[in-house]
Amino acid sequence: GENVEQHPSTLSVQEGDSAVIKCTYSDSASNYFPWYKQELGKRPQLIIDIRSNVGEKKDQRIAVTLNKTAKHFSLHITETQPEDSAVYFCAAGYSTLTFGKGTMLLVSP
Amino acid sequence: DAGVIQSPRHEVTEMGQEVTLRCKPISGHNSLFWYRQTMMRGLELLIYFNNNVPIDDSGMPEDRFSAKMPNASFSTLKIQPSEPRDSAVYFCASSSRDSGSEVGTDTQYFGPGTRLTVL
Repeated sequence: GENVEQHPSTLSVQEGDSAVIKCTYSDSASNYFPWYKQELGKRPQLIIDIRSNVGEKKDQRIAVTLNKTAKHFSLHITETQPEDSAVYFCAAGYSTLTFGKGTMLLVSP
Repeated sequence: DAGVIQSPRHEVTEMGQEVTLRCKPISGHNSLFWYRQTMMRGLELLIYFNNNVPIDDSGMPEDRFSAKMPNASFSTLKIQPSEPRDSAVYFCASSSRDSGSEVGTDTQYFGPGTRLTVL
């Protein structure tokens, strides 16, 4: 089955800095790579996703890149704000999704 | 427009008791997923349904767990008997399968979750 590794497990940045979270996956058949944001006590919410026919996708301050050859994908958040503080999960799959263990992002004012 | 609805939001029960968690997917969605989230194991897929039919239940931990989807608007996850190690947050998610796509590649919308504590 699919195995998704996510790094780092925690990330602290200053407001305005950029944050990068990286994930690797094992199953070359995976073709869908979503990223979810989960605030404390809340549900995971999709923030951006990418499919295997695309190398990069951007939505305002958030971007995701995908390297299928190396089997890794990354989330980039620019101009971070305190409200970006949350746990971020990557996932990969084609018939079902396997989630990474999450990255706790803390943005300090 | 209502999202995925789960009930109860919190459940505290004693070991050995039966627990039933409920989920109402987004209207029109034809895929439903049950996940379990713990600090140690993260977010794990337990089972998913497509058009009310269970497709993959390989994530169900053991025979104490069972899930049903009698119609397109309702699903249950039952634990009988419950054990302390079942304590977790259980999420239900639903998606609308795009024509020609795999079930897992459609955007999944999560419900608010049920926090289960087994004493």
